[in-house]
Amino acid sequence: AQSVTQPDIHITVSEGASLELRCNYSYGATPYLFWYVQSPGQGLQLLLKYFSGDTLVQGIKGFEAEFKRSQSSFNLRKPSVHWSDAAEYFCAVGAKEYGNKLVFGAGTILRVKS
Amino acid sequence: DVKVTQSSRYLVKRTGEKVFLECVQDMDHENMFWYRQDPGLGLRLIYFSYDVKMKEKGDIPEGYSVSREKKERFSLILESASTNQTSMYLCASSSIGNEKLFFGSGTQLSVL
Repeated sequence: AQSVTQPDIHITVSEGASLELRCNYSYGATPYLFWYVQSPGQGLQLLLKYFSGDTLVQGIKGFEAEFKRSQSSFNLRKPSVHWSDAAEYFCAVGAKEYGNKLVFGAGTILRVKS
Repeated sequence: DVKVTQSSRYLVKRTGEKVFLECVQDMDHENMFWYRQDPGLGLRLIYFSYDVKMKEKGDIPEGYSVSREKKERFSLILESASTNQTSMYLCASSSIGNEKLFFGSGTQLSVL
């Protein structure tokens, strides 16, 4: 069965520091991969997605993620975190073979300290 | 601007009540989804629909049903609400061939 693991429930970083949020997946088909962000009281917003091609993808708000097939990972990175990045981040995986259904990870809550 | 609207932001119901959660999208999307979000569990798919009057079970359909009479509207129904259905419910939509989901702001349901 397909699954997504986000090993870190909470992460705290200082403003201006770099950030990496981890995501590992288990999927039988060739995956599509996504990162979504949820600010308090809001729905989820797409940060970036990977379908094929270049394994380093750029997203909104200065985020990027790298697909590593050999490690079944799709980690999210940002070189310099801003206080407004404090939110919950979800990794999700889908596949053409499974239609438009996505499987989500449990989420990582990011706290930013000044 | 694309929009997925959930009718209630907060809802409080009693156990045994029948509960309707409504979702409307204005993007002419074919696909609509209902997820529930619980701390530490992420989002779990309850039901989805690829077309009017069509529905498919997701990963946790027990205790829920859905209705899609019109393309823009997807309703989630709790036939007899129970306390373990206290959760945040998120509706989402997408177009055919595009896996990007657009989410509503969610309905926080409390069942007492």
